Amino acid sequence: DQQVKQNSPSLSVQEGRISILNCDYTNSMFDYFLWYKKYPAEGPTFLISISSIKDKNEDGRFTVFLNKSAKHLSLHIVPSQPGDSAVYFCAAPQGNYGQNFVFGPGTRLSVLP
Amino acid sequence: KAGVTQTPRYLIKTRGQQVTLSCSPISGHRSVSWYQQTPGQGLQFLFEYFSETQRNKGNFPGRFSGRQFSNSRSEMNVSTLELGDSALYLCASRKTGNTEAFFGQGTRLTVV
Repeated sequence: DQQVKQNSPSLSVQEGRISILNCDYTNSMFDYFLWYKKYPAEGPTFLISISSIKDKNEDGRFTVFLNKSAKHLSLHIVPSQPGDSAVYFCAAPQGNYGQNFVFGPGTRLSVLP
Repeated sequence: KAGVTQTPRYLIKTRGQQVTLSCSPISGHRSVSWYQQTPGQGLQFLFEYFSETQRNKGNFPGRFSGRQFSNSRSEMNVSTLELGDSALYLCASRKTGNTEAFFGQGTRLTVV
């Protein structure tokens, strides 16, 4: 079974600085991972993904790094903005075809102006 | 195009009752998954449906059930509600073969 850990329940960062959110997983059978962002009273919104053919994927201010040997991924937000304040979930696949996801408990990011 | 639609948005039920939640996926998406979110627990996978068949199931008791219709719309049912069932229930749809899932806004269920 897949397990996903996000060991920092919360993170506070000054506006303009880098935010780094970490995630660890246990099962590397399917090497693709997703990050979602969630605002209160809304459903999670897909943010960025990464697959095993890469160790880095960049989309604007968001970059995800994958360390397959350590079973670790991280999300970098540079520069951080107050609108980035939300809960961030890391998700890893499981199931016979990797068709459903196990989510971490989330990290609440607060970007301070 | 329209996103994933969940109804109702909010629901209050008493212990022992049953409840049915509805999810309409994005047009063309055949996979529908359900998740439960409670404070401090993140998103817990309930089950996934594809072409009217349950493909995967999480570790929830049999009181939690679901189904999918031929138009890919899905319903989730919880019978004999308990206080601990109070949560945000999220539905997510995916296009066949894609990994990215799109979530609805969720149904906030409160059991009193």
